[in-house]
Formats: sequence, structure tokens, C-alpha cells
Amino acid sequence: AQKVTQAQTEISVVEKEDVTLDCVYETRDTTYYLFWYKQPPSGELVFLIRRNSFDEQNEISGRYSWNFQKSTSSFNFTITASQVVDSAVYFCALSENNAGNNRKLIWGLGTSLAVNP
Amino acid sequence: DTGVSQNPRHKITKRGQNVTFRCDPISEHNRLYWYRQTLGQGPEFLTYFQNEAQLEKSRLLSDRFSAERPKGSFSTLEIQRTEQGDSAMYLCASLGGLGTGELFFGEGSRLTVL
Repeated sequence: AQKVTQAQTEISVVEKEDVTLDCVYETRDTTYYLFWYKQPPSGELVFLIRRNSFDEQNEISGRYSWNFQKSTSSFNFTITASQVVDSAVYFCALSENNAGNNRKLIWGLGTSLAVNP
Repeated sequence: DTGVSQNPRHKITKRGQNVTFRCDPISEHNRLYWYRQTLGQGPEFLTYFQNEAQLEKSRLLSDRFSAERPKGSFSTLEIQRTEQGDSAMYLCASLGGLGTGELFFGEGSRLTVL
């Protein structure tokens, strides 16, 4: 069965600290996609990144970076120099692969990040 | 605004009543998804359409739930004889044929069943 585990329920940091959000996944598929979404208090899910299972390169986008390691089935997300606006719930998700290119995502429970001034 | 639009944003109803939610996806997107999210949980897949065809339904979608996308554009999700357990945020998302494979989500429709 496919599963996404975000072990950290809540994290609280002080502004400018670095913070890493953990994501561990389980799948039997050889081809799959991993995602991170941000859900601010307004409720709308905002796409952050998609990673193909064949691409293990780490990615950096501004203050955000992602570390994908197939050996440990992890796709961790780091925010460098956190800001108050980063406060949100962050979800890691896994996409099944099928011929229909479905985006039926399996989601973790989310990590609630509070960045305090 | 060219994003995914959902309405109503909030709906309070009494148990046993029917409710309908509407989703207008990004106009050129042919795939449309419904998810449900309860407090403290991640979204759960309900169903998805490619154009007007409903291609998959989750077992979470009981007989009281029905979704349509009659012309391959907007979609409706109807819940009949609502129960308190139906209280949740109902999220709609759309996906185009090209691009990053990103699902674009609407702001959701929050249902409270009293």
C-alpha cells in the first residue's frame, strides 16, 4: 500500500532559523511522483514542487530546498532563514503512476509550521 | 481571476438536507479532481474527471455523493441526506495536459452539518 508519513505534527521556530520538514513514503511503484504543498491559513493548497522518482537531484528554489533520497524513501523539505510568512501547514504527497497520468495523490497528515518573530 | 473557483465557500446545513458545491476549473484544464479534507488531516481523494468522463471514484464516495461534469467544464458535487460526518472542506483541483503536473487547487468549500 502507498503511504506518506510526516512524523512532525507541529514545529515552532524563531524567525531566521532554518527548519527541515520530514517526509517518508512507501510505494511499490517504480515510477512515482512526490509533491510538497503549502496550506496557509486561507486554506488554499499551494504547489511548491514535484519530483519524479527517477530524478534524485536535490533542488533549491530561493530559501526552499528539497532533498530526495530513494535509499531511505525520504523527500525532506528545508526552509532556510525562515520568515513569519512561512507559517502554514505543509503537506507531502505521493502520486500513483498509471497510464492515465492520474494525480490521485496520497497525502501525509501535514506539518504545521509556526515561525515566530 | 483565472484560478480554480469554488462556491459556496461556506455552507451550514441541517442533517438530512442536500447540498451542492460547484467548481470552475482553469479553463484549459481537462482534468478535474475532488478531494475532502477534515481538520488535522491531509486531503483525501474522492473522484476525478477527464473532460466530462468520471474516471475514478473513491470508496469514500458513498451513494449519497454524486459528482458531475456535464460539459467538461465546471463540476458539481452533491451530497444528499447530509450527515454530521460529512462536515469537511471539499477541495477542487484541476490539471492541464501539459506543464509541471501541478494540481491547481481552489480555496475549498467548507461544509458544516449541524
